[in-house]
Amino acid sequence: DTGVSQNPRHKITKRGQNVTFRCDPISEHNRLYWYRQTLGQGPEFLTYFQNEAQLEKSRLLSDRFSAERPKGSFSTLEIQRTEQGDSAMYLCASSSRQENTEAFFGQGTRLTVV
Amino acid sequence: DAKTTQPNSMESNEEEPVHLPCNHSTISGTDYIHWYRQLPSQGPEYVIHGLTSNVNNRMASLAIAEDRKSSTLILHRATLRDAAVYYCILRFDSNYQLIWGAGTKLIIKP
Repeated sequence: DTGVSQNPRHKITKRGQNVTFRCDPISEHNRLYWYRQTLGQGPEFLTYFQNEAQLEKSRLLSDRFSAERPKGSFSTLEIQRTEQGDSAMYLCASSSRQENTEAFFGQGTRLTVV
Repeated sequence: DAKTTQPNSMESNEEEPVHLPCNHSTISGTDYIHWYRQLPSQGPEYVIHGLTSNVNNRMASLAIAEDRKSSTLILHRATLRDAAVYYCILRFDSNYQLIWGAGTKLIIKP
């Protein structure tokens, strides 16, 4: 297993365009998390899946953001009508069903909205 | 959500021990203390976690105050590869929705 994989690593898009990011978690992990991180700040929680169910969404996740995890495997995060304020690193993490276990993070997708 | 307070940055010499403090005065009885670190252009990496007792693993040690209102991450012999931002976060249940602060930027001097 190569760990959590995120694609693409970098994305440059024009304001108003839609973008979609993909996260492939560690195969046996049933929990998946999305975070956003801006320069000099810690990660901000966006949303959490347990298997295919989206159990928690942050207020940061506006109507332009949507996340899915069909079949409880990979997940996608879509941002519609991107704005310059969406420019950030988008991180995905996964963990097993055990309580208080460590989370494994991907290397992130860096989004730049121009 | 309980918050943590960490110094913005710390410096240490290579091959010396490093003590990274974290204050969490509003911690609840069910909050675990987790530490992660983030190297430049990488995702965060798990370091260690604990509840009440001090913990050791191959990467570091975690010393937790008796009242649990503070903790210290100890790197026993820092190397240049330990230069990173270190985050102390509190986690309850199985979710990672708690607030991450800005962390401590650790600078290792050769």
